[in-house]
Amino acid sequence: DTEVTQTPKHLVMGMTNKKSLKCEQHMGHRAMYWYKQKAKKPPELMFVYSYEKLSINESVPSRFSPECPNSSLLNLHLHALQPEDSALYLCASSHALAGDSETQYFGPGTRLLVL
Amino acid sequence: GDSVTQMEGPVTLSEEAFLTINCTYTATGYPSLFWYVQYPGEGLQLLLKATKADDKGSNKGFEATYRKETTSFHLEKGSVQVSDSAVYFCALSDLSSNTGKLIFGQGTTLQVKP
Repeated sequence: DTEVTQTPKHLVMGMTNKKSLKCEQHMGHRAMYWYKQKAKKPPELMFVYSYEKLSINESVPSRFSPECPNSSLLNLHLHALQPEDSALYLCASSHALAGDSETQYFGPGTRLLVL
Repeated sequence: GDSVTQMEGPVTLSEEAFLTINCTYTATGYPSLFWYVQYPGEGLQLLLKATKADDKGSNKGFEATYRKETTSFHLEKGSVQVSDSAVYFCALSDLSSNTGKLIFGQGTTLQVKP
């Protein structure tokens, strides 16, 4: 089973709202990732967690706050977003960091619209 | 730094035509190479991968061979179907940094007409 699940599938929020995106995997993977994808573009890496510790923050604005409560779950907390943050947010996981040629498996994404 | 270049799309083919999507890379080491596919409204799915030179990845009739001498990983399929219409991303793993970073090409949109 190579399934990564994400909820919700769609989310509409105002610029003053606080919301959270959730990602879950039960493959025993110890590395998890958040990506942002704009239309007709490749995914852009936002955060990497390795063994539940934040490994990489790609200079993401603080209105995006990641959290890894355990090895199977990854959250992305959203607060005071801007309309330009509207995008598809993808979660991925791998056995370990891809430096060992480990494959990343992606979830279906959450399509976010900020009004 | 490392980079991936894909042929620009869209690529439009008739059903049962032969498909080639070109992908070339620049890397300081020997990265692993991947093809991901994204169907409309969905996330990315791993299509195939190759981890060393001369390896051939294959899946669902698609193939790609890791060519170190030409730094290429071209995607091919002998006979495309309408259901293959999607965006295809070539990617490499940044082994030198050990950070988990995937470096993606810009993506190539494939449209297959009946």
